[in-house]
Amino acid sequence: NAGVTQTPKFQVLKTGQSMTLQCAQDMNHEYMSWYRQDPGMGLRLIHYSVGAGITDQGEVPNGYNVSRSTTEDFPLRLLSAAPSQTSVYFCASSYLTGGATEAFFGQGTRLTVV
Amino acid sequence: GQQLNQSPQSMFIQEGEDVSMNCTSSSIFNTWLWYKQDPGEGPVLLIALYKAGELTSNGRLTAQFGITRKDSFLNISASIPSDVGIYFCAGLTWSGGGADGLTFGKGTHLIIQP
Repeated sequence: NAGVTQTPKFQVLKTGQSMTLQCAQDMNHEYMSWYRQDPGMGLRLIHYSVGAGITDQGEVPNGYNVSRSTTEDFPLRLLSAAPSQTSVYFCASSYLTGGATEAFFGQGTRLTVV
Repeated sequence: GQQLNQSPQSMFIQEGEDVSMNCTSSSIFNTWLWYKQDPGEGPVLLIALYKAGELTSNGRLTAQFGITRKDSFLNISASIPSDVGIYFCAGLTWSGGGADGLTFGKGTHLIIQP
């Protein structure tokens, strides 16, 4: 009954370092997405994928890369971390059939860039 | 990009009172979703709305999809302490081959005074 699993839960990076935030889901959902949550800003879409091998940019994609080699996994890569990327990151997944698009969220990764 | 205006930003109410919050947009959405987020957790889906005019209940929660498809409201009746948290509306549009990702409101912070 795992749902959407994100790792790590907490991370501190130095400016310029790179890292990958992991996201895995066991519900066979086609659609996966990454959001960042900043105080007073709600959640903003970074990248999303409608299936393995297909990714697209969201509202705030700069500084992030994604890939979708399997249905289950959707990692988010920070190529060269900047303090502006300090945020809480959420991964979500959902079905794409008809209107059944309720997204299920992971517990988040709290990232601090110093 | 699309924007959702969610109000109020915060609510201070007494236990037992009813709560009402809403979201409006200048854009049309195909689906409206309402989420609740507890501290340190990811958002959890409360109610999903798929058709203009639809009114849906989930226990003490009731939500409606506006006729114009540009707004939605969420009501909570007889509030209890565990209702405390941040409530987010989210809208979804479809284009081409799939969903474009959720657009979130900035949240309503509900605080209940015993």
